[in-house]
Amino acid sequence: QVQLQESGPGLVEPSQTLSLTCTVSGGSISGGDYYWSWIRQPPGKGLEWIGYIYYSGSTYYNPSLKSRVTISVDTSKNQFSLKLTSVTAADTAVYYCARAITIFGVVFDHWGQGTLVPVSS
Amino acid sequence: EIVLTQSPGTLSLSPGERATLSCRASQSVTSSYLGWYQQKPGQAPRLLIYGASSRATGIPDRFSGSGSGTDFTLTISRLEPEDFAVYYCQQYGRSFLTFGGGTKVEIK
Repeated sequence: QVQLQESGPGLVEPSQTLSLTCTVSGGSISGGDYYWSWIRQPPGKGLEWIGYIYYSGSTYYNPSLKSRVTISVDTSKNQFSLKLTSVTAADTAVYYCARAITIFGVVFDHWGQGTLVPVSS
Repeated sequence: EIVLTQSPGTLSLSPGERATLSCRASQSVTSSYLGWYQQKPGQAPRLLIYGASSRATGIPDRFSGSGSGTDFTLTISRLEPEDFAVYYCQQYGRSFLTFGGGTKVEIK
């Protein structure tokens, strides 16, 4: 059973860079036709797709965040990472990593537990 | 960008009742590339339905999805206590995807 776990700083200051890592266990990040994804959810609000990466390194980003987002993959560590630059309070959210399967489009079948990242000084 | 509008915002029902949730898209959704998720407080979302009508692994058959084009529906035939949660629809098209704003199913 694939499991995903987010890790990273619990607090980020405004204008700084938010960095998170997702560790995948129970399966290889290089195996199968999967996209490795980041999704966020501001407190009390809905879900927002940030972007995803294929194990080969191909990336796809939400156009509204594209200028500030970088997603990368480290197949040797079975991890993928998120960097979001120039953060503001509006970036405060629970950040989820998830596996996307390419069946009838793209849907997310496995999720991490999520990590709350407040943006505050 | 395809905008997904879910209605109603909140649905107040009793256990055993039927729940009908709507997801309307601002443009036609490619090949019914639409999914539904359930989210309980403090938990990550769980995939229920993909391809508009196919149940994900382990999802009870009281959950069903239907629709095409711009109008999609998630139906829960008989609400169980564990079904009270927030439900989101999600579409995929042209390497880009969006979520709806969610429908909360609460106990009446």
